[in-house]
Parts: sequence; structure tokens; C-alpha cells
Amino acid sequence: NAGVTQTPKFQVLKTGQSMTLQCAQDMNHNSMYWYRQDPGMGLRLIYYSASEGTTDKGEVPNGYNVSRLNKREFSLRLESAAPSQTSVYFCASSEGRSNQPQHFGDGTRLSIL
Amino acid sequence: AQKITQTQPGMFVQEKEAVTLDCTYDTSDPSYGLFWYKQPSSGEMIFLIYQGSYDQQNATEGRYSLNFQKARKSANLVISASQLGDSAMYFCAMREGFVDSSYKLIFGSGTRLLVRP
Repeated sequence: NAGVTQTPKFQVLKTGQSMTLQCAQDMNHNSMYWYRQDPGMGLRLIYYSASEGTTDKGEVPNGYNVSRLNKREFSLRLESAAPSQTSVYFCASSEGRSNQPQHFGDGTRLSIL
Repeated sequence: AQKITQTQPGMFVQEKEAVTLDCTYDTSDPSYGLFWYKQPSSGEMIFLIYQGSYDQQNATEGRYSLNFQKARKSANLVISASQLGDSAMYFCAMREGFVDSSYKLIFGSGTRLLVRP
């Protein structure tokens, strides 16, 4: 009963390093999303994929890229990490129907020094 | 312009009492959806309850209910008979994206609820 799986759970990077956050869902959902959560704030949408083969920018896309590898997997890449990208990152998926909730992974806590 | 507003950064409630968490929203779209999520200290996001803009009745799920006042654009979460395990951060979110079927969520800043024994 995995749901949405994110890897890694924790990561520390140095400024300028790159890394990819992985996300996979086993619920056959069409839509997938990447959010970031900063202290004292709600989640903000970085990128989303409404369906396999499509990706679009959310509210805070700068400094990130995404790949919808297949229906199950949606990765988030930081090309040149900056301290401002220190955050908790959540991946989510949904069926893509109006009344269905998004299901979230457990998050990746990313620190950039 | 902020679309989801949660004006209570933190709240206390006595165990076994009811508590209301406020949420107001702003949209010009007649079709929208409102969600509440719970985030315990362990960090995961747990879906609690959903209210659609066209739903005739207020949503209920066990001890959770929504006080949906469409004209006031508010969707307050009511938790009845509070339990210690209800201590968590609670987020209100509104769904956009009906036109492009993206169903994106916009989140409020959250309310931290602490249940006192």
C-alpha cells in the first residue's frame, strides 16, 4: 500500500550542486505535482503534470526542472542549488477528477549550505 | 492577491471539546473545490474532507465537518470531540484548474492546533 513514494527523505547539498528528487505513485493517477513548504507557510506549487507527457509551471518554478518519465514517475531537478531552495519538498498525485484529493508523499527535507 | 486565508496561526482546545478552524477564499470561478489537510509533527499530509462549490449540503467525515458559507466565501473546519492526536497543523486548500484539468491546489498558511489534556 505504498501510494506516493519520494526519495531521498533527507539531503544536504552545497551551493551550486545539482540533484534530482524522485517521485513514484502506484495508484494509476493521471496528474502529479511538486510542492515546496517553507517554515510558517503553506505548500506552494513548483511544477505539475496534468497527464503523462505534459508538464507546466506552477507558482514558484524558477531554479527547477521536471520530467514526467512515465505515468508513475515525476522527478524534480535542481540544476544549481541555492540556499533559498532549502525547504521540504512534497510530491503529490491525483486521479485528475474534480472532487478527488491529492495524495502526498512523505516529503524530502533538503538543506543547501 | 492571496486566495486562501487562514487567520488563526495557532489555537488551543481542551480535549473532548469542539473547535472551529477558519478558512476564507477568493475566487471568481463558480466551480471550485475546497480541501482540508492535516499535517502532524511527523510531516505527512493527510486528506480530511472535501467540499465542492455546488454541493448542497455541508461535507462531513466522522468527527470532521465543514461549515460552508458560500456567500461569505468561507469553509471552516469543525472538529468535534477533540483528541490529543488532533494536535497538528491544518491546511485549507482551494482547487483551481477546472479549465485545463490540472486541478492545482492553492494552500493557506495553516493553523497549528494544540489539544490540551
